[in-house]
Formats: sequence, C-alpha cells, structure tokens
Amino acid sequence: ETGVTQSPTHLIKTRGQQVTLRCSSQSGHNTVSWYQQALGQGPQFIFQYYREEENGRGNFPPRFSGLQFPNYSSELNVNALELDDSALYLCASSLVGSEQYFGPGTRLTVT
Amino acid sequence: QKEVEQNSGPLSVPEGAIASLNCTYSDRGSQSFFWYRQYSGKSPELIMSIYSNGDKEDGRFTAQLNKASQYVSLLIRDSQPSDSATYLCAVSIMDSSYKLIFGSGTRLLVRP
Repeated sequence: ETGVTQSPTHLIKTRGQQVTLRCSSQSGHNTVSWYQQALGQGPQFIFQYYREEENGRGNFPPRFSGLQFPNYSSELNVNALELDDSALYLCASSLVGSEQYFGPGTRLTVT
Repeated sequence: QKEVEQNSGPLSVPEGAIASLNCTYSDRGSQSFFWYRQYSGKSPELIMSIYSNGDKEDGRFTAQLNKASQYVSLLIRDSQPSDSATYLCAVSIMDSSYKLIFGSGTRLLVRP
C-alpha cells in the first residue's frame, strides 16, 4: 500500500456531464500528479500540482482542470465529458522531482 | 515527440527462469528511469528506479541503464507465476514537473 487514496473507485457518467475525482496524497508528500490510462496503454500525464499551483501540464484540453488543497490533497475536474474520456484516472503522490507512488485509481465510464 | 518504446509481448517464460524486459527512450534529456508493475485491474506499483548508468539490484530485480544507447532494462531472476503482470517503463524529464512518460508496457507471463 502506498498510502495514496482515491475516490470514488468507479464512476459512470453520461456524455456532456461533469465529474470530480479526488486524491489524498501520502503523508509527507507535497506534490500530486494526475494521469489518464486508457485500456492497453501506459498512463498519460494530465497535470501536476505543487504548493497549490499547477506545475506542468500534458496535452489535455482546458476542460480538464484541477485543484490542490493546503493539506496537499487534490481534485481533478473534467467538464463536458466525451466518450473518449472513459479511462482509469490515476493520481500519484511524491516530493517534487522524486519517485511517484500511485493510488488505486478511479475507473470512469462515459456512456 | 518524447517517446518510450516497449515490446507489448506477451513475454512467456517458465517458472524459475530469468525474464528480460527492455525499453528505449527518445529524449536524451531524460534524467530518471522507473519500472512499474501493473496487475490486471490494478494501479501501477513502483518496483525499481535508476538514475545513473550501470546496474541496480534489489532482491530478484535488476535494472540496467545505458544512457548512450538510450536503453533501460529490467531483469527478473527466478521468475514466479506471481510476477505475471504488465511491466511499465517510465522516464522522467527534468522540466518543472518531472512528469513521467510511460511506454505501453510489456505483458509478462510466467508459466508454472
């Protein structure tokens, strides 16, 4: 166990809806990175939060947004859901520049 | 386009054999290299990290890095059926985020 938690475990949404995914980082870690993993692919970097600010972003549209709170937990928000957003969403906890440890993930299905 | 390439497999080895997993990367600015293990339906689990050329051993696992050839490998000695999983190679580039770039993974099957 990494000590990183995510909620919910599974989620089913309809195209066009909005979703919020949550992540609590491992104790002592100050950085949270979010990844999207489509079936049969490696995780793809969405963005990272450090000291409550976005600290790097991958090739994802602005409808993917996030927050980090003072206790270093984080949220990923996705607006205007599309079918292709169906994936496993992973958050990874770390100290900045150090090894990243993943939570169990949230499986999102968009119908 | 920064890329990490892995053979998708499956790589099938008998129990007790050495499994050799390989990975190449395109960005010479890559600084840190990681191997994650992912069981079906689960999240990736960090099993090895390597930062400098050469070998790094941890139990049955050995990571090998050759920056000149842009090549990373993972050797699993005395393979067990419980090692059957997808192994993801990840590379970190020294930008502000140290984001990880992943390969698509190699599926390993250890036959009893």
